[in-house]
Order: sequence, then C-alpha cells, then structure tokens
Amino acid sequence: EDQVTQSPEALRLQEGESSSLNCSYTVSGLRGLFWYRQDPGKGPEFLFTLYSAGEEKEKERLKATLTKKESFLHITAPKPEDSATYLCAVPTLEGKSTFGDGTTLTVKP
Amino acid sequence: DSGVTQTPKHLITATGQRVTLRCSPRSGDLSVYWYQQSLDQGLQFLIQYYNGEERAKGNILERFSAQQFPDLHSELNLSSLELGDSALYFCASSVVAASGNTIYFGEGSWLTVV
Repeated sequence: EDQVTQSPEALRLQEGESSSLNCSYTVSGLRGLFWYRQDPGKGPEFLFTLYSAGEEKEKERLKATLTKKESFLHITAPKPEDSATYLCAVPTLEGKSTFGDGTTLTVKP
Repeated sequence: DSGVTQTPKHLITATGQRVTLRCSPRSGDLSVYWYQQSLDQGLQFLIQYYNGEERAKGNILERFSAQQFPDLHSELNLSSLELGDSALYFCASSVVAASGNTIYFGEGSWLTVV
C-alpha cells in the first residue's frame, strides 16, 4: 500500500526566512507526485506535478524537487500570504491520490 | 477557481438523517473522486468514478454511497448520520482515471451533524 509521510507537521517562519518541507513516500512504482496548497476551510489548490527523480518545478517563491524516495518543497523568502497547509500526494494506478497529512506553514510578519 | 462545483457549501443536520452532496466536475473531466477531511485529519479517499462506473473504493462506510450520472455529475449519499460524520467532504475531478493525471478539487461541503 502506498504511504506518504510529511514533515514537519507544523513550521513557523519569520517573513523572509527560507526553509524546506519534506514529503517521503513508499510506493510500488512512482507514477508522479503532486503538491497542493490548502487554506483553512478551502479545497486543496494544485501547485505542481513531478514525474521523475531530478525534476524540479518553480512557482513564485516555491520550488519543488523530487528524488527517488522523497520530495522537497523549498520556500524562498516567504511572505505571510504563503501561510497555509501544504499537502503532497502520490497517484495510484486508478488515478486516485494518497495524501500525506500535510505541513502547516505559518509565516509571521 | 478549479472549475469543480460542489453543493451545498454548508449543511447542518441531525443524527440519523440522510443527506446528499452534489458535485459537478470540470468541463471535460470524466473521473470524479470523493474525499473526507475531518478536523485535524488528512484527506481520506472514499470512492472514485470514471465515466459512470465505479473505479476505486477507499474506506467508505456502508452507510455512504455514491454514483456518477450520464451527464458526469456525481452525488454522495450519507445516511444514518452520526456525530463522527461531521467533516468537510471534497469532490475532485480529473480528465481520465489514470495515474499522473492532476486531480482538481472543489471547495468542499461542510457537514455538521448535531
């Protein structure tokens, strides 16, 4: 069974303080990895898809990277509006996704 | 706006009652997924449909059922409701039911059972 573990559970940063979130996974065969952002009471918002080890994708202050066993979401010079829960997920053969429990990021001004 | 529409946005009902949550997928998407998110819990996969047929099943209770109609909209039926069923229920959709396809989520239906 596919498993996804995210760390840390919570991360508090000062505005401008860069850091990384980790997503480790155990899957029978990697078919991609997704990153989502979720604001309280809202639906997850798609950020990135990574398909192969070594792949990187960027969007504003976020950069996602993928290795054979884990993915990192790097946040450079974060702003308070980056505060949210960040979820990673791996898809199954049928297309559904198994989600990690998320990392709740708080960026203080 | 993901393009996935869910109704109602909020629902308060009593224990033992039955409710129906509705989802319209993004235009062109054939696969629909239902997820449950309780307070302080992660997203739990319930069930997936593809072009009207059940494709995958997760930890969905027997009191819950779903279907996808010919126009591709989907409904999740929750019956004999219990307090523990209070949660955010998300619908998501993707173009096809294949791994690697991005899943887009709706804004969710908040269910409160009192």
